[in-house]
Amino acid sequence: EAGVAQSPRYKIIEKRQSVAFWCNPISGHATLYWYQQILGQGPKLLIQFQNNGVVDDSQLPKDRFSAERLKGVDSTLKIQPAKLEDSAVYLCASSPSTTYNEQFFGPGTRLTVL
Amino acid sequence: QKEVEQNSGPLSVPEGAIASLNCTYSDRGSQSFFWYRQYSGKSPELIMSIYSNGDKEDGRFTAQLNKASQYVSLLIRDSQPSDSATYLCAVIYSSASKIIFGSGTRLSIRP
Repeated sequence: EAGVAQSPRYKIIEKRQSVAFWCNPISGHATLYWYQQILGQGPKLLIQFQNNGVVDDSQLPKDRFSAERLKGVDSTLKIQPAKLEDSAVYLCASSPSTTYNEQFFGPGTRLTVL
Repeated sequence: QKEVEQNSGPLSVPEGAIASLNCTYSDRGSQSFFWYRQYSGKSPELIMSIYSNGDKEDGRFTAQLNKASQYVSLLIRDSQPSDSATYLCAVIYSSASKIIFGSGTRLSIRP
């Protein structure tokens, strides 16, 4: 069974530029999560999708971050414009159901904002 | 008070000994608790989940939950160098139905 795929693995941009991350969850997993993990901290949930609907986006900075999950499969997370404090690893995870049990994480995208 | 609190470490344990990792949380109504392991430069992987008071064992790992005292712990028996990693505690907050991760405890197993 293929795991959660993410791309790119690394991205370096300058502040005020835009960036997008892509995630393809495990086949058949209805729930998809995007997390932000700053160095030395635990992952922080940004947004949770159930199929193609948003379940929780309470911690998503909506003035600059956006996410979509068209057709209930893969998802993109966008930052526009980026700030220095957005430097982090962006993790995508998926699970078979709406519960948080058995979340499977992708390899992450390491973003550096200069 | 942090929502989910862990000692950042590093916790250094000799090989073959028991490593004990602790986590406290502030939401008394929380019902679901998880331990993730994260190797440096890698993504987290789930190693244990626990929902009821008491102990839950899986191989060399034992999770312990005490809801009255609002703490959850992870014991690793017969520690191996491959256990060296950061261990993240995660709690589902009943009040907001969202998952909160602690900052993790860095564990180092010395030969």
